[in-house]
Amino acid sequence: AQSVTQPDIHITVSEGASLELRCNYSYGATPYLFWYVQSPGQGLQLLLKYFSGDTLVQGIKGFEAEFKRSQSSFNLRKPSVHWSDAAEYFCAGILIQGAQKLVFGQGTRLTINP
Amino acid sequence: NAGVTQTPKFQVLKTGQSMTLQCAQDMNHEYMSWYRQDPGMGLRLIHYSVGAGITDQGEVPNGYNVSRSTTEDFPLRLLSAAPSQTSVYFCASSARDQETQYFGPGTRLLVL
Repeated sequence: AQSVTQPDIHITVSEGASLELRCNYSYGATPYLFWYVQSPGQGLQLLLKYFSGDTLVQGIKGFEAEFKRSQSSFNLRKPSVHWSDAAEYFCAGILIQGAQKLVFGQGTRLTINP
Repeated sequence: NAGVTQTPKFQVLKTGQSMTLQCAQDMNHEYMSWYRQDPGMGLRLIHYSVGAGITDQGEVPNGYNVSRSTTEDFPLRLLSAAPSQTSVYFCASSARDQETQYFGPGTRLLVL
């Protein structure tokens, strides 16, 4: 079945440390992939997206993600996290070409230790 | 632009009651959708619309109705609320052929 999976439900990192959030997809072709962030009690904000071309995409707030077709992955990274990055992060994909139905991963909750 | 707006922000219902969650966007987007968010399950698509007068079911449509009489509005109706519909509901919109969806702030619904 076509799906997006985030293996880590909860991750804790120290402020200033690097971060990598994992995302895997299951789809026969290249999907459109997105990372969204949700602060407590808020809606979803788009961090970055990948459609085609350069496999390393830059987003807002210092985040980047790399699309790896061989691993069916689209991991989110940040070299140095700030306390304000504490939030829930969702990976999502459009897995049917021509449709606009987003399929979401389960989300990863990020906690930052001071 | 206000973007995507949703009302109400919070709602408590009793089992069997009906209500409508409102969603409006001022970006002239053709595509609108409703998602529900439950712990550990991410967001799941309930219904979507690719334009005025056109709606279709998503992953979890049971218990919900939608209509799209105008480009701007896409209300979600619960005809007979059930405790299983306790959730946070998000509306989103996007332009035709633009895959990026913009989300509203959400409606938190509690069904007792």
